[in-house]
Amino acid sequence: TQLLEQSPQFLSIQEGENLTVYCNSSSVFSSLQWYRQEPGEGPVLLVTVVTGGEVKKLKRLTFQFGDARKDSSLHITAAQTGDTGLYLCAGEGAGGTSYGKLTFGQGTILTVHP
Amino acid sequence: DVKVTQSSRYLVKRTGEKVFLECVQDMDHENMFWYRQDPGLGLRLIYFSYDVKMKEKGDIPEGYSVSREKKERFSLILESASTNQTSMYLCASSPSGTGQGNTEAFFGQGTRLTVV
Repeated sequence: TQLLEQSPQFLSIQEGENLTVYCNSSSVFSSLQWYRQEPGEGPVLLVTVVTGGEVKKLKRLTFQFGDARKDSSLHITAAQTGDTGLYLCAGEGAGGTSYGKLTFGQGTILTVHP
Repeated sequence: DVKVTQSSRYLVKRTGEKVFLECVQDMDHENMFWYRQDPGLGLRLIYFSYDVKMKEKGDIPEGYSVSREKKERFSLILESASTNQTSMYLCASSPSGTGQGNTEAFFGQGTRLTVV
């Protein structure tokens, strides 16, 4: 079983602050995906990182994949109230039928206060 | 618009009942998944199917079985529902992977199952 440890579990900050969410594992993944989930809805993909050391930016969100493809981080600059939600990382297995098989972290509930 | 549809948003069942959760996708995806979501535990994989009639156990398969007779439909079966199976159940589908990260999962809206 591949495990993904996501931290912190809860994050409560003021609008304008920066934050980082971490996703760590002892397993190697072929890719790492980040999802966001709103109440009453299923998760929706934000980004996929594939190459070790890769950095992707999505407006104020920066995603990084570790060199060894075992860990990832999500950094939000100048958080806004609209960033509030549940953030989930998911690691994709490597090889054969494991391609496409996603293991999720525990999730980070982010609350941004005005 | 791509779609994964779960048959029920809310379901209440009695202990010991056999429960069927249905999921249909319209994207011709090879992979389909059933997860359960509980506070503080994230999404835990129950079963994974990578082709018709092919399945793999996930991390928590005990008490569950699945059926995939057609590519677009993936059913989760609770053989004898118990109160500890009260949870949010999420179905997802994705293309088969090639190691290039082209495996975005599309989720249904979830079924909130309560076993009393």
